[in-house]
Amino acid sequence: EPEVTQTPSHQVTQMGQEVILRCVPISNHLYFYWYRQILGQKVEFLVSFYNNEISEKSEIFDDQFSVERPDGSNFTLKIRSTKLEDSAMYFCASNRQGPRMNTEAFFGQGTRLTVV
Amino acid sequence: KNQVEQSPQSLIILEGKNCTLQCNYTVSPFSNLRWYKQDTGRGPVSLTIMTFSENTKSNGRYTATLDADTKQSSLHITASQLSDSASYICVVSARGNNRLAFGKGNQVVVIP
Repeated sequence: EPEVTQTPSHQVTQMGQEVILRCVPISNHLYFYWYRQILGQKVEFLVSFYNNEISEKSEIFDDQFSVERPDGSNFTLKIRSTKLEDSAMYFCASNRQGPRMNTEAFFGQGTRLTVV
Repeated sequence: KNQVEQSPQSLIILEGKNCTLQCNYTVSPFSNLRWYKQDTGRGPVSLTIMTFSENTKSNGRYTATLDADTKQSSLHITASQLSDSASYICVVSARGNNRLAFGKGNQVVVIP
């Protein structure tokens, strides 16, 4: 069964450092997302990506964040200068047609980012 | 403002018993509602997706209902198993955007 894969599963970084979280979406999917979940809180939308550009982003997704699909298979989330409050589980998701089309969104297993 | 509210926050049930989880939402205009199961430290896994015109959908021992008029949904778990211990998250999508609005989840613990 196809799945969304994320690497690394756990990343520890010092405050102020840059991190790149990697995702390989399901191959025939067209919509890609990043969500985050701070420990004990609900999952929050960060950004959606379609046709090689950001289609929507939340207020959380400020200038410190960027996304890229560098080679047609990977989908990355970069945090330029990490803060303590960026510590969270980051989930990548992909969808064949987008949530408005009522198709299932598949989530990866997540990357746990710990900023120290 | 949280557009998806779930109750109860947590519950403990005996193996083999049934339980019902509730979701109220204010997301508008409504597109679809999903229930996800999230095991601790794992990504959410989709259980059901319902559109405006659907008022019930089943996936094995999971049955979801939707009342789009009152903006309420429920997830019923029949004959619970230990593996049902997880967080069950109600997720709503609005027409006109690409984001999913997540509830905080119902934490279910099944005990033998």
